[in-house]
Amino acid sequence: KAGVTQTPRYLIKTRGQQVTLSCSPISGHRSVSWYQQTPGQGLQFLFEYFSETQRNKGNFPGRFSGRQFSNSRSEMNVSTLELGDSALYLCASSLQGLEETQYFGPGTRLLVL
Amino acid sequence: TQLLEQSPQFLSIQEGENLTVYCNSSSVFSSLQWYRQEPGEGPVLLVTVVTGGEVKKLKRLTFQFGDARKDSSLHITAAQPGDTGLYLCATQYSSASKIIFGSGTRLSIRP
Repeated sequence: KAGVTQTPRYLIKTRGQQVTLSCSPISGHRSVSWYQQTPGQGLQFLFEYFSETQRNKGNFPGRFSGRQFSNSRSEMNVSTLELGDSALYLCASSLQGLEETQYFGPGTRLLVL
Repeated sequence: TQLLEQSPQFLSIQEGENLTVYCNSSSVFSSLQWYRQEPGEGPVLLVTVVTGGEVKKLKRLTFQFGDARKDSSLHITAAQPGDTGLYLCATQYSSASKIIFGSGTRLSIRP
C-alpha cells in the first residue's frame, strides 16, 4: 500500500498570502488529521476530518481551516500568512480516528517571508 | 492544559552506549505512544503502552509505562547510528478529541 503523500513538499510564501496544502491518505483510511511542527512549540494538533466533517479541533486561530473530500483526500488552508506560520505541516491518516495508529506523511515545509 | 514533558531535550552519545529518555506528566494517561521522527520524514509509531507497569521490547528498545500511568521511559541498549532521530511521546487528550505530543528528545549517535 502506498503511504500518506503530501504536496507540495516545500513552499515559500510572503506575509499576507494564503496557502493550500494537500494530503492523500492511505487507501481505505477515512480519518485525516493535521499537525504543525515548529522548533519552539513542537508538534501540535490542528484538526481531524472524518467522512468530510471536521470532528476535532486544536487551539489554532480561524485562519487555519481544512476540508476533506469524498475520497478522503484532505486540504488545509492558511489565510493571511504570518511569519510565525513558518513550520513543517504534517498530515496523518488512520482507519477510523485519533485513537488508532496514526500514519504520518513526510510533511510540507512552509516558509513565510 | 495537559502537558507532556520530555527529558533530556538533546542527547549525543557514542555508538554502543546505553541511554534512557523520559516522558512525564502530572495527569494520568489511558495510553501513551512513542514515535521516532527522522529528518525529512513524518513521525513513525514505535509502540503504544496501555497498562500501568507495562514493559514492551522492540529489538534494542525497551519501553516502560509507569505504575501510575503518569510517566514513561524509553531505554536503548547499545545505541547505533541508525537510532538517531527525534523521539516523541504522545497521548490522546479529552476522550481522544485530540492528540498531544511531548517536546521531544533529539538523539544523536556518534560512530
